[in-house]
Formats: sequence, structure tokens, C-alpha cells
Amino acid sequence: ELKVEQNPLFLSMQEGKNYTIYCNYSTTSDRLYWYRQDPGKSLESLFVLLSNGAVKQEGRLMASLDTKARLSTLHITAAVHDLSATYFCSYNNDMRFGAGTRLTVKP
Amino acid sequence: EAGVAQSPRYKIIEKRQSVAFWCNPISGHATLYWYQQILGQGPKLLIQFQNNGVVDDSQLPKDRFSAERLKGVDSTLKIQPAKLEDSAVYLCASSKWDVYEQYFGPGTRLTVT
Repeated sequence: ELKVEQNPLFLSMQEGKNYTIYCNYSTTSDRLYWYRQDPGKSLESLFVLLSNGAVKQEGRLMASLDTKARLSTLHITAAVHDLSATYFCSYNNDMRFGAGTRLTVKP
Repeated sequence: EAGVAQSPRYKIIEKRQSVAFWCNPISGHATLYWYQQILGQGPKLLIQFQNNGVVDDSQLPKDRFSAERLKGVDSTLKIQPAKLEDSAVYLCASSKWDVYEQYFGPGTRLTVT
């Protein structure tokens, strides 16, 4: 069965701390996407990872892809309150999404 | 550049009624997607169009859901008849081609009573 598993599903962290969200997927894929969703809002594209070893960074977020391990990570550096949202990963085979990681950053 | 447009934004219907949603993708985007997002879950792909052809509709409940994309631009998604479990947000997204990132519309929140 094709699956995308994210962990943790819920993450509460303090401002200024670092943390990593993990995305495991069950079949080979050469493209992996990360999205952000604010409460009551639609999804916003964050990163598109197109090949093994790809690393992309935007502000305090950095995403990487290991296609051999079928693993993508989203690393948060020095978290700030504005990063509070739900983060989804998705891969291209059938546009299957993970369940999402609900991140809350506390002062 | 204008984003993905969807209407209506909210809809409340009774079970067994019909409902239709409309989506206008970003100009020039060949690929269009419809997703169902139930509260607290990730989006679930219902159907993917490439221009006006269907690429993937394996998760579309075809006994009650239908979708079309006329002339490779706008698209409509219809539910007939609706069930209580269809209550969800229906998201439309588009991309230049299927390998590119998707741009999502604001969604239509459907409540079936």
C-alpha cells in the first residue's frame, strides 16, 4: 500500500529551539513536496525536492531528500511564533499527502 | 498573477442533495487537481487532469462524484447525492505540468446535514 508517514504529528516547541520533522514514504519517488497550511486556510507550497540529496532552504526552514532511504526532513532553526502551522509532505506518484505535523511555537 | 479561484467558498446542503463546485486555475497551468480534505487530515486526491484529459481518478467515488474540465481550463466537481461523510473542504490546485509545485485555491467548505 502506498503510504506517506509524517512524524511527529504534533509538535510544541519553544521559540529559539531547533527541531526536525520527518516524512517517510513507501515507494520510489523522485519528487517530494512540502506544504504549509495555516488554520482555516489553504495550502502554500514551501519546497519542491527533485532529486536524491536535494537540499533547499528558505529562512528558518530547510528541507532535504534521501530517495534511497525514502525519507525527507524539514528542519526548523531557531523557531519563531510565525512558523506555527501544519506542515504536509507529499510525493508525486499519486499526490499522496502525509497526515501533517501540527507545529506550535510558544514564546 | 491571479491565483486559483474557487466558488462557492461555503455550502451547506442536506444529505441526498446535489452540489457543484467550480475552479478556475492559474492561466497557462496544464494540470488541475481536486482534493478532499477532511478536518484534521491531509488532502486526498480525487482527480487529476492534464489539459482536459483525466490522468488519475482512482480515488474518486464514481458512484456519486463526477468532474470535468472543459477546454482544458475551468473545472467543475459534482456530488450527487451527497452523504454526511462528504462534509469536508474541497481544494482545487493547479500546476504548470505535473512535475511542478501546486498552487492551491482557497477551498470550498461543504457541510452535509
